[in-house]
Amino acid sequence: EVQLVESGGGLVQPGRSLRLSCAVSGFTFNDHAMHWVRQGPGKGLEWVSSINWNGATINYADSVKGRFTISRDNAKNSLYLQMNSLRADDTAFYYCTRSRGTPGPLDFWGQGALVTVSS
Amino acid sequence: QSVLTQPPSVSGAPGQRVTISCTGSSSNIGAGYDVHWYQQLPGTAPTLLIYVNTNRPSGVPDRFSGSKSGASASLAITGLKAEDEADYYCQSYDSSLTAYVFGGGTKVTVL
Repeated sequence: EVQLVESGGGLVQPGRSLRLSCAVSGFTFNDHAMHWVRQGPGKGLEWVSSINWNGATINYADSVKGRFTISRDNAKNSLYLQMNSLRADDTAFYYCTRSRGTPGPLDFWGQGALVTVSS
Repeated sequence: QSVLTQPPSVSGAPGQRVTISCTGSSSNIGAGYDVHWYQQLPGTAPTLLIYVNTNRPSGVPDRFSGSKSGASASLAITGLKAEDEADYYCQSYDSSLTAYVFGGGTKVTVL
């Protein structure tokens, strides 16, 4: 069974940092590109970042470029999102999701991790 | 402002047919990039509903269908059921932005 499980969310003050993790199982991790997609309260889906199977190709949304860093550890079947200089408008559920290639459909999603940026 | 444009809401009675449009531009759908659709039931994560314009993943009822033409795509739901009440999002890729792009989402209400 394919599983993607996010962790690391929580309440953080503006300007501080947080690191999200996504542990995957049930599929061959290094056969897939991985992505983070977020959804602010009452808002739509917003793509955040993508990383290809070996980490050689990485892209970011303009809204997070220079502040967020995506990475993966294929030996640990894990995806990460380092979020620095957090702002109130970064408050959202952050979903870990995968695709077979880039671009490609996001065919499995985690349950999401809530990040709240507030003083 | 989303790169892909969807109507905020559509509604229909049980058994009826509803369609959701998704309009892009020459750097995304119009450039030939595929369109995918996601369903998000209340309080849950999105799930893939239609991939590569017209294909249904295993387990998705054939009441759901997708189409694409030019710089636009559509999702149709026939034989509308109460369980179809959800938010629906289209998604593609934009070569100018080098980014995955989503529509703003459409809330489907079953009257």
